[in-house]
Amino acid sequence: GAGVSQSPSNKVTEKGKDVELRCDPISGHTALYWYRQSLGQGLEFLIYFQGNSAPDKSGLPSDRFSAERTGGSVSTLTIQRTQQEDSAVYLCASSLSVGELFFGEGSRLTVL
Amino acid sequence: TQLLEQSPQFLSIQEGENLTVYCNSSSVFSSLQWYRQEPGEGPVLLVTVVTGGEVKKLKRLTFQFGDARKDSSLHITAAQPGDTGLYLCAGDLQGAQKLVFGQGTRLTINP
Repeated sequence: GAGVSQSPSNKVTEKGKDVELRCDPISGHTALYWYRQSLGQGLEFLIYFQGNSAPDKSGLPSDRFSAERTGGSVSTLTIQRTQQEDSAVYLCASSLSVGELFFGEGSRLTVL
Repeated sequence: TQLLEQSPQFLSIQEGENLTVYCNSSSVFSSLQWYRQEPGEGPVLLVTVVTGGEVKKLKRLTFQFGDARKDSSLHITAAQPGDTGLYLCAGDLQGAQKLVFGQGTRLTINP
């Protein structure tokens, strides 16, 4: 497709389980971002990838969170040993540079 | 501490009224963007402002970037129910390579 694609759109998991969220950015976009949004609030920055540079991981809330971007394209956000406070919508965005971000529809994570 | 403070956080007004939403910071930004988000969707860019004092108009929406590039405002004239949504400002910090977002203003326009 032409836009940013995220999967799954919804994920319900039990506390303590690991989850993987996937983001397929717009082809050719060198920058990829992950944000977290709780209950219709603002976006909390998690991690940023730009080309082949080392990612900016300064927003990851704990060492249970990690992300990778393979081949400069698809990215996976992994949350290990999920906690209830991890419940949120995880948004992925891509861009050509630090400028207009194109967002996916998000992955809604619910931890029971 | 929120780097970008938006106010008000919630606003509910009648159709036809005017409104202004503010985005403030003590930091200087290379550029500032406004996004609008509807339920179940990702934010969509409305405008980018890059020059201090810049004013941009998008139909009934007027965006202004502060002279010192630390703040911005969004003014909507004659609001319509279709303007309902979550409005987010986002700033590109000088020297950083990422966008930071405000907490959003949830706007409801009642018919």
